[in-house]
Amino acid sequence: DAGVTQSPTHLIKTRGQQVTLRCSPKSGHDTVSWYQQALGQGPQFIFQYYEEEERQRGNFPDRFSGHQFPNYSSELNVNALLLGDSALYLCASSFWGGSTDTQYFGPGTRLTVL
Amino acid sequence: GESVGLHLPTLSVQEGDNSIINCAYSNSASDYFIWYKQESGKGPQFIIDIRSNMDKRQGQRVTVLLNKTVKHLSLQIAATQPGDSAVYFCAENWGEYGNKLVFGAGTILRVKS
Repeated sequence: DAGVTQSPTHLIKTRGQQVTLRCSPKSGHDTVSWYQQALGQGPQFIFQYYEEEERQRGNFPDRFSGHQFPNYSSELNVNALLLGDSALYLCASSFWGGSTDTQYFGPGTRLTVL
Repeated sequence: GESVGLHLPTLSVQEGDNSIINCAYSNSASDYFIWYKQESGKGPQFIIDIRSNMDKRQGQRVTVLLNKTVKHLSLQIAATQPGDSAVYFCAENWGEYGNKLVFGAGTILRVKS
């Protein structure tokens, strides 16, 4: 049973560029959440997708957008990259069954913006 | 604001001793709490969870205690091993649908052999 997978593992971009990160949820899960983790800090919630719609959003600008596909996989897009966007981007999957559904995390994508 | 803890404290313990990691949460309406372990270069790994209608829950070598009166959560690790060395995060479940996680800054656990 495959867990949550993310690609790519590492990515280097320059300011102003755009980036797309990908996530495949754990088998049986239908909900994908994205988090940003700056160095030395806890993950910060970006947004969550279920049934191909954004269901919840954290305090992130519109430069951060996403998509969920019919197979439940998801993409995170960031436009007009800033130096401050450098972070570990984590994807977590869960089953949309209630407030106590555990979220399982992938290994993350390390984004460096130069 | 949305914040569970503001520091990244470090706890150093001797191998074989018990460890206690503490966490203060902010939202009195939170009804679900989770502890995650994160090793260097990896994503957070689920350890144990607890609902707000419970005070204590035990797993394999781990116990979580919840004190809703003072909004405090703790993780106890029995017979700490070198493989337990990592950053530990507590998270509370927020959001309209109750499944948006709010994390603290974490606690570094170092196990001395």
